Amino acid sequence: KQEVTQIPAALSVPEGENLVLNCSFTDSAIYNLQWFRQDPGKGLTSLLLIQSSQREQTSGRLNASLDKSSGRSTLYIAASQPGDSATYLCAVSKGTGANSKLTFGKGITLSVRP
Amino acid sequence: NAGVTQTPKFRILKIGQSMTLQCTQDMNHNYMYWYRQDPGMGLKLIYYSVGAGITDKGEVPNGYNVSRSTTEDFPLRLELAAPSQTSVYFCASSLLTGYQPQHFGDGTRLSIL
Repeated sequence: KQEVTQIPAALSVPEGENLVLNCSFTDSAIYNLQWFRQDPGKGLTSLLLIQSSQREQTSGRLNASLDKSSGRSTLYIAASQPGDSATYLCAVSKGTGANSKLTFGKGITLSVRP
Repeated sequence: NAGVTQTPKFRILKIGQSMTLQCTQDMNHNYMYWYRQDPGMGLKLIYYSVGAGITDKGEVPNGYNVSRSTTEDFPLRLELAAPSQTSVYFCASSLLTGYQPQHFGDGTRLSIL
C-alpha cells in the first residue's frame, strides 16, 4: 500500500527565505506526482504536476523535482512571501483510469513571517 | 468558468439523518472523485468514477453511496449519519488522460451531532 509522508508538519520562515518542502513515498511505481496548495477553509489548488518520466517542473517561483527511484520529491519556493502561507500537500497516482486516484500526504503548513 | 461546484458549503446533521452532498463540474471531465479530510490528516478517497454509469470504491467507502448518471454530476449520499462522518468533503474532477491535475471544489463542511 502506497504511503506518502511529509515532514515536518509545520514550518515557519521569515519573508524572503528560499525554502524546500519534502515529500516521500514508499512505492516508486508511480505515474505522476502532484503538489497542491490549500488555503484555510478552501479547496486544493494544483501547483505542479510531474510525470514519472520527468525530473522537474517549474512555475514562477516554484520548482518541483522528482526522484522516483528514491521515492522523493521536493517543492522549492524561491524568495518566500507572506502570501505563500498555506498548507502544501503532495499526492501520487499509479496510472490512468482506476489507477488515477491520488494518495495524499498529510501536508506541511507553511507560515511566512513579514 | 465555474469549475467544480459543491453544495451545500456547511451542514449540521443529527445522528441517523441522511443527506446528499452535491457536486457538479462544467469542464467535461470524465473522472470524478470524492475525498474526505479530517483535521491534521491528508485526504482519503471515498468513491470515484471514470465516467457516467461507472463508479468504484476508494479507501473509506463505508457509510456512503454514489451515483453518476451524467458526466457533470457526482452526488455523495450519507444514509445514516454517524459522528465519525464529521469531516470536510471535497469533490474533484480530472480529464481522462492523467496528464492533467485534479480540480477541486471548495468543500462541504459537515458536522454530525
